[in-house]
Amino acid sequence: EVQLVESGGGLVKPGGSLRLSCAASGFTFSSYSMNWVRQAPGKGLEWVSSISSSSSYIYYADSVKGRFTISRDNAKNSLYLQMNSLRAEDTAVYYCARESLGDRYGMDVWGQGTTVTVSS
Amino acid sequence: DVVMTQSPLSLPVTLGQPASISCRSSQSLVYSDGNTYLNWFQQRPGQPPRRLIYKVSNRDSGVPDRFSGSGSGTDFALRISRVEAEDVGVYYCMQGTHWPRAFGQGTRLEIK
Repeated sequence: EVQLVESGGGLVKPGGSLRLSCAASGFTFSSYSMNWVRQAPGKGLEWVSSISSSSSYIYYADSVKGRFTISRDNAKNSLYLQMNSLRAEDTAVYYCARESLGDRYGMDVWGQGTTVTVSS
Repeated sequence: DVVMTQSPLSLPVTLGQPASISCRSSQSLVYSDGNTYLNWFQQRPGQPPRRLIYKVSNRDSGVPDRFSGSGSGTDFALRISRVEAEDVGVYYCMQGTHWPRAFGQGTRLEIK
């Protein structure tokens, strides 16, 4: 079964850091680009970052550029999001999502999400 | 950056009736390869999103044929021919042509 499982969310103070992980199974992880998408409480979806299959291409939303770092370990079938200098507006459910082969077709597999709360 | 604008933002529909959601982009979504990368997602209450449609009009596996996508350039639509109770949720369009990726604000479909 194709599956993505996020972990690492929690409560963190403004200015703090957190590292999210996403464990992939059931497919050849190293063949797919991957994404992080977030959803603030009661709000819509916001694309956060994407990384190509071999980490050659990395993109960020302006709202997180310079603070968040996406990375992957294909040997461990894992995707990561290092989040630094966290702000209240980063509070959200963070979804790990597989990019459909072909790279522009959107996310065809999603995890259940992990919740990040930034509050003092 | 490309801005995706959906309408309406709230859509009350009677069971068995059709529904239509509009999605407009601030720039053409035609990519240099000639394809148009406009995708639609459904998010049921308490669930992660699920892709319904990719590249304007291609249904994902398992998506009922009452869902259809259409459009070109900057103007797109998602149509449900006969709304069922399981269709309740929020629908998002998303463009895959340009970086950064962008979602529409979402359209909440509810049963009247």
